[in-house]
Amino acid sequence: EAQVTQNPRYLITVTGKKLTVTCSQNMNHEYMSWYRQDPGLGLRQIYYSMNVEVTDKGDVPEGYKVSRKEKRNFPLILESPSPNQTSLYFCASSLATQVANPGRVYGYTFGSGTRLTVV
Amino acid sequence: AQKITQTQPGMFVQEKEAVTLDCTYDTSDPSYGLFWYKQPSSGEMIFLIYQGSYDQQNATEGRYSLNFQKARKSANLVISASQLGDSAMYFCAMREENTGFQKLVFGTGTRLLVSP
Repeated sequence: EAQVTQNPRYLITVTGKKLTVTCSQNMNHEYMSWYRQDPGLGLRQIYYSMNVEVTDKGDVPEGYKVSRKEKRNFPLILESPSPNQTSLYFCASSLATQVANPGRVYGYTFGSGTRLTVV
Repeated sequence: AQKITQTQPGMFVQEKEAVTLDCTYDTSDPSYGLFWYKQPSSGEMIFLIYQGSYDQQNATEGRYSLNFQKARKSANLVISASQLGDSAMYFCAMREENTGFQKLVFGTGTRLLVSP
């Protein structure tokens, strides 16, 4: 089954304790991205990756790191989590537009989400 | 810069009635895609419907249709014959083909409540 797998689904941690949220996709997608969702703000992009070893900041990158060493994996790292990073996090992947089929804009496939609480 | 606006924080509808969720967008890229996602209380993001900027006809997927008015830059979602299971958060989103680093930009969402 084509999917994006995110783990864990729920996580409660303490301020300052490093954590990693894993994301893996089995669709050979070039493009991967992390979003956070907060009430009243919709989903905002944290980081994205256009391909292996190519990553860049989104709209709210402060306090986060990512890596893309393999095409299928795109982990999100919080080196020193703080309470303002309490949120619902989504990983997503997609075919790149233009490359796959010029003029066709592809949507994202989302993981199930990770609900993170930092106390 | 690309932007999505959803002006209805919440909507109420009775079962079996139709409902329209509003979405307006702003972009300077002539090639883009518009998407609607449903987020039930369980939290996952479920893709509903897609409209390409060059598509001549409005998209339809079962009970979902997209009222695409390009000149007005609006892409409203119409849900016909509402069901209790339609109660959820609905997000409109846009992705530009040529600019915006292929980012999917979301609106703030509309919470739909379907009553019996």
